[in-house]
Amino acid sequence: EIVMTQSPATLSVSPGERATLSCRASQSVSSNLAWYQQKPGQAPRLLIYGASTRATGIPARFSGSGSGTEFTLTISSLQSEDLAVYYCHQYNYWPPWTFGQGTKLEIK
Amino acid sequence: EVQLVESGGGLVQPGGSLRLSCAASGFTFSSYEMKWVRQAPGKGLEWVSYITGGGGSTYYADSVKGRFTISRDNAKNSLYLQMNSLRAEDTAVYYCARAGGRTNPDYWGQGTLVTVSS
Repeated sequence: EIVMTQSPATLSVSPGERATLSCRASQSVSSNLAWYQQKPGQAPRLLIYGASTRATGIPARFSGSGSGTEFTLTISSLQSEDLAVYYCHQYNYWPPWTFGQGTKLEIK
Repeated sequence: EVQLVESGGGLVQPGGSLRLSCAASGFTFSSYEMKWVRQAPGKGLEWVSYITGGGGSTYYADSVKGRFTISRDNAKNSLYLQMNSLRAEDTAVYYCARAGGRTNPDYWGQGTLVTVSS
């Protein structure tokens, strides 16, 4: 089983600043890595797939990078509506498909 | 517009059974693999089960293997999860999700809450 580890657990960023979230895989998952945003009380929403491709309708301020075992989600200019928990997810080796434990993004 | 609507959740006693349904619309249901993913209260996301478009292949998380059964009815554009021998640790919101081109979920339903308690 591939273990996904996200850091930090909680991140506090001021509006307009950059937020950088990290995800590490216990072994290489190539570029088969997705990021999801889950706002309070809502279902997850796909942000990024293939490590760096934005999903339909996702604003350009969200970007993904990395391959192998190290991945990053960057929000270039944080907005108040970005308050959410963000999960990384590997789909290279399955079953099982595995998620990180999440990073909670707080607005300062 | 892709829509996934879950139903069938509720309160059930330990050892009991429940059947979840997911009604799909806005896409060619039979062409897509589907998944169930759950989220325990205050916790992260956990993959539960997967089924191919034709229903011929299924996978389960070890935590539910032998107790849960995934199925689909392509004529009704519906996905199901039969849950037997339920345990307190199965308490969660259950989401159905469409699997994208490389099996990562690209659309999710709003979820249905299953509570296992006496």
